[in-house]
Amino acid sequence: LAKTTQPISMDSYEGQEVNITCSHNNIATNDYITWYQQFPSQGPRFIIQGYKTKVTNEVASLFIPADRKSSTLSLPRVSLSDTAVYYCLVGELHSGSARQLTFGSGTQLTVLP
Amino acid sequence: DSGVTQTPKHLITATGQRVTLRCSPRSGDLSVYWYQQSLDQGLQFLIQYYNGEERAKGNILERFSAQQFPDLHSELNLSSLELGDSALYFCASSERDRPNQPQHFGDGTRLSIL
Repeated sequence: LAKTTQPISMDSYEGQEVNITCSHNNIATNDYITWYQQFPSQGPRFIIQGYKTKVTNEVASLFIPADRKSSTLSLPRVSLSDTAVYYCLVGELHSGSARQLTFGSGTQLTVLP
Repeated sequence: DSGVTQTPKHLITATGQRVTLRCSPRSGDLSVYWYQQSLDQGLQFLIQYYNGEERAKGNILERFSAQQFPDLHSELNLSSLELGDSALYFCASSERDRPNQPQHFGDGTRLSIL
C-alpha cells in the first residue's frame, strides 16, 4: 500500500503562495497522485492529479520529482476561502481493476487575513 | 456542484434502528463509492459498485450493506445502529472503473444516533 505523509496543519496569509508537500515513498509504477480539498461538512473536491513532472490547472499546480517519492501541491495567491483540509492520495489497485482511495489525515490549511 | 446528490442531508435515529442512505451519481458515471467520515477515524472507504456490481470492499461492517440499481443510483443500508455509527456518510462517483480516475463527492448525509 502506498501510504502518504503530510503535515498536519499549515498557516498562511492572504495573497501568499502555499506549498503543501506529501511523501509517498512506496508509490507504485502505475500509481497517480491526486489531491482533494475538503471544507467542513462538505464532500472532498478533486483539485489536481498528476503522474510525473508538473501539472497545472486553473486552481493549482502539482510538482512531482523524478523519483516520484513525494509531490508538492502549490496554491497561488491564497484567499480566506482556501481554508480547508487538503488530502494527498496515491492510487491503489485491488482485485480486478477496482480502485480504493485511502485518505490520510490531510493537511489543515488556515489562511489568515 | 459536483453533480452527485445524496439524500437525506441529515438523519437522526436511535440505537438498534435501520436507515437507508441514497445516492444519485453524476450523469454518465457508472461507478459509485461509499465513505464514512467520523471525527476519530477520518475518511474511510466502505464499498464500491460499478454498473450494478460490487467491485471492492473496504472497512464496511457486516451490519452495513449497499446496492446499485439499474438506473445507477445507489443505497447504503445501515442496520442495528450503534452510537459509534454516528458520522458523515459520503457517496462519490466516477465515469468508469479505471485506476486513478478522479472521484466526485456529494455533500454527504449526516447520521446522528441518539
